Amino acid sequence: GDSVTQMEGPVTLSEEAFLTINCTYTATGYPSLFWYVQYPGEGLQLLLKATKADDKGSNKGFEATYRKETTSFHLEKGSVQVSDSAVYFCALSATDSGNTGKLIFGQGTTLQVKP
Amino acid sequence: KAGVTQTPRYLIKTRGQQVTLSCSPISGHRSVSWYQQTPGQGLQFLFEYFSETQRNKGNFPGRFSGRQFSNSRSEMNVSTLELGDSALYLCASSFSGTTGELFFGEGSRLTVL
Repeated sequence: GDSVTQMEGPVTLSEEAFLTINCTYTATGYPSLFWYVQYPGEGLQLLLKATKADDKGSNKGFEATYRKETTSFHLEKGSVQVSDSAVYFCALSATDSGNTGKLIFGQGTTLQVKP
Repeated sequence: KAGVTQTPRYLIKTRGQQVTLSCSPISGHRSVSWYQQTPGQGLQFLFEYFSETQRNKGNFPGRFSGRQFSNSRSEMNVSTLELGDSALYLCASSFSGTTGELFFGEGSRLTVL
């Protein structure tokens, strides 16, 4: 079945450092890919998405490119801020369930940014 | 526009009891999905409802059930609670549930003693 693998955290960075969170996936079809973020005490929020190969999703300075050849969707940001401290989840739309709202999530990566 | 509302936010139950959690989606959204979040298993899909019909179901035992009402509000029920059911239960809504762009509530944190 479909699956998502994220780099394990926690990731601790200083403010203004470069961020990369690795995400790879396994899917039988052609899923859409997502990054969701969960701030402390809150529900998940969609950060960005890409729906087909070579698409680049971007939002709030974060970027990720849908790489079909490497089955990856790594999240990057050029300069992180303390306010970016959160848990980041990579996800894909399940390809075995038709066109529904089922998402497969990675384990999540905790990012802590220190001033 | 009001977000996804889940009630109750926190609850404590004992083994063998049952629990019902409620979710009010964003106005106009017809798809409601439920996820279980635990430190060990992460986020796992429970089920999705669209227009009062269960459209998809995850790999959870039959003790976990749900339903959706005509106003798109949804409930999930867990019967005969076990210690392992302790988790954050997240509800997510979307207009059609076909794009993966889900709007999550803050969750209901269930503790089973």
